[in-house]
Amino acid sequence: DTEVTQTPKHLVMGMTNKKSLKCEQHMGHRAMYWYKQKAKKPPELMFVYSYEKLSINESVPSRFSPECPNSSLLNLHLHALQPEDSALYLCASSLPGLAGGQADTQYFGPGTRLTVL
Amino acid sequence: AQSVAQPEDQVNVAEGNPLTVKCTYSVSGNPYLFWYVQYPNRGLQFLLKYITGDNLVKGSYGFEAEFNKSQTSFHLKKPSALVSDSALYFCAVRDTSLGSGTYKYIFGTGTRLKVLA
Repeated sequence: DTEVTQTPKHLVMGMTNKKSLKCEQHMGHRAMYWYKQKAKKPPELMFVYSYEKLSINESVPSRFSPECPNSSLLNLHLHALQPEDSALYLCASSLPGLAGGQADTQYFGPGTRLTVL
Repeated sequence: AQSVAQPEDQVNVAEGNPLTVKCTYSVSGNPYLFWYVQYPNRGLQFLLKYITGDNLVKGSYGFEAEFNKSQTSFHLKKPSALVSDSALYFCAVRDTSLGSGTYKYIFGTGTRLKVLA
């Protein structure tokens, strides 16, 4: 099973709302990622968690707050977003590389389509 | 800096003809290369990867890719295109400059493949 699930599929929120995106995987992966993707553009990395610890934050505004409660779950808390934050938010997971640097495949969820009004 | 380039925004091919989607890379050290496909409003699906070994890598849905170290290329190919192959294709490289334990993938800008009936 190489499935990453994301909820909700669609989300519409106002600029003063607080909402959360959820991502789940049961593949035993210990690295999890949040990406933002605009239409017809490549995914832009936002955050990486490795063994439930935040290892990369790509200078993302504080209105996005990630959380990794356990090895299977990844959340993205949203507050006071701007219309330009409207995008497809993708979660991905992978096994961590071995000490020798062997690469591992990222598996992506279907994404949450976020619209900020 | 590690990077990948996809020189073509769009590739058009007739159904039944062979297709090639181009990717070149620039990395220090051994490259870990990936191809993903994305259908509209969906997440990215893994097609294939090159880590080491044979230069010709076979992947899902009849796709293959040829790793060429001297030309720093990793072109995606398929002997006979299907209309259902029409999608957005991303080449990616794993950024190994961050050291073991930190995982980051760099995506190309994407190539839209259009297979014409």
